[in-house]
Amino acid sequence: QKEVEQDPGPLSVPEGAIVSLNCTYSNSAFQYFMWYRQYSRKGPELLMYTYSSGNKEDGRFTAQVDKSSKYISLFIRDSQPSDSATYLCAMMGLTGGGNKLTFGTGTQLKVEL
Amino acid sequence: SAVISQKPSRDICQRGTSLTIQCQVDSQVTMMFWYRQQPGQSLTLIATANQGSEATYESGFVIDKFPISRPNLTFSTLTVSNMSPEDSSIYLCSVGKYNEQFFGPGTRLTVL
Repeated sequence: QKEVEQDPGPLSVPEGAIVSLNCTYSNSAFQYFMWYRQYSRKGPELLMYTYSSGNKEDGRFTAQVDKSSKYISLFIRDSQPSDSATYLCAMMGLTGGGNKLTFGTGTQLKVEL
Repeated sequence: SAVISQKPSRDICQRGTSLTIQCQVDSQVTMMFWYRQQPGQSLTLIATANQGSEATYESGFVIDKFPISRPNLTFSTLTVSNMSPEDSSIYLCSVGKYNEQFFGPGTRLTVL
């Protein structure tokens, strides 16, 4: 079993839809949770960063962390064609791994006009 | 955040040769990382490179295959040695600032 599981998609939605992207994980030591957006042939871009459980909102993006369920989500409101990209979740623990990130495989999102 | 550049952006190499990838950051950082991203797979950490110390390699990666240099706080290199087609991948450097990591644009390597 992988430490971080993420549905690879592809996920196709119409413009303006609410998008829900999710990851589950097995390592209870993870305390920091990130979402990266990666456009084709580009490096990953840090989108959201959350510590421990709770919600964080930034414009059209909301990140949720439920540590009791080992489940994290990224919601995109009013999705735009420019949101079409691969979204990667990543996690990091407080001890042992230092700043080592463990990534999901990424979910490919396409927002259609 | 951090602005990170990598050279080359892409290369096509012959089996058995070596390629050195450069990573330059616009500010001084303690921690730099090298990742590999293969099609359909997660980003996989190759090694952590801290200035003034030997790189720390993850399981499955060895120094003879992936030697790393970190001569100062803004620069690092990763060499992919004695390449085979299985080394075809995207190689990414990243830098750590507090508990966040920022990535460069990647180097797309194809080995024939």
